[in-house]
Amino acid sequence: GENVEQHPSTLSVQEGDSAVIKCTYSDSASNYFPWYKQELGKRPQLIIDIRSNVGEKKDQRIAVTLNKTAKHFSLHITETQPEDSAVYFCAAGDGNTGFQKLVFGTGTRLLVSP
Amino acid sequence: NAGVTQTPKFRILKIGQSMTLQCTQDMNHNYMYWYRQDPGMGLKLIYYSVGAGITDKGEVPNGYNVSRSTTEDFPLRLELAAPSQTSVYFCASTLGSIMGEQYFGPGTRLTVT
Repeated sequence: GENVEQHPSTLSVQEGDSAVIKCTYSDSASNYFPWYKQELGKRPQLIIDIRSNVGEKKDQRIAVTLNKTAKHFSLHITETQPEDSAVYFCAAGDGNTGFQKLVFGTGTRLLVSP
Repeated sequence: NAGVTQTPKFRILKIGQSMTLQCTQDMNHNYMYWYRQDPGMGLKLIYYSVGAGITDKGEVPNGYNVSRSTTEDFPLRLELAAPSQTSVYFCASTLGSIMGEQYFGPGTRLTVT
């Protein structure tokens, strides 16, 4: 089955800096790659996603890139703000099942210092 | 819409007790999921359902059971609770088979002592 690895486990940046979180996946049939943000004590919420027919997607300060050949994808946050502090999870859609089943990475705790 | 709701928010169980975690969604979503989140870890899929009457095991199903009698409800049953089941449990739903956003409930924090 699918296996998703996520790095780093923690990331500390200064406000205004950029942050990059990287994930690799194992199943070449996976074709959907969402990123979720989870604030302390809250539920995970989707912030951006990308499908396998697209190499890059942007939404204001966040962007996701996908390299299907290398089986890795990354989340980029520019001009970080203290409210970006949270745990970020990547996931890969298990393409073998024919319907939506996600395998999540172990998360990256991002801390943005003022 | 209330979205995905879960009850209870917190629960403490003694070893060997049983309980049901409730999950309801009002978005008419076909697909529903139960995940557990251990401290510092990602989300592990316990069970999922593609529609009323259809359920299947995920990555970590041992010690749990589910049922799906209606589109709206997807309860998770813990039988003979064990300390290893101490975790935060999230229910989620999504509309259909095309990959898209999973909407999560607020979670249930369960402690087994």
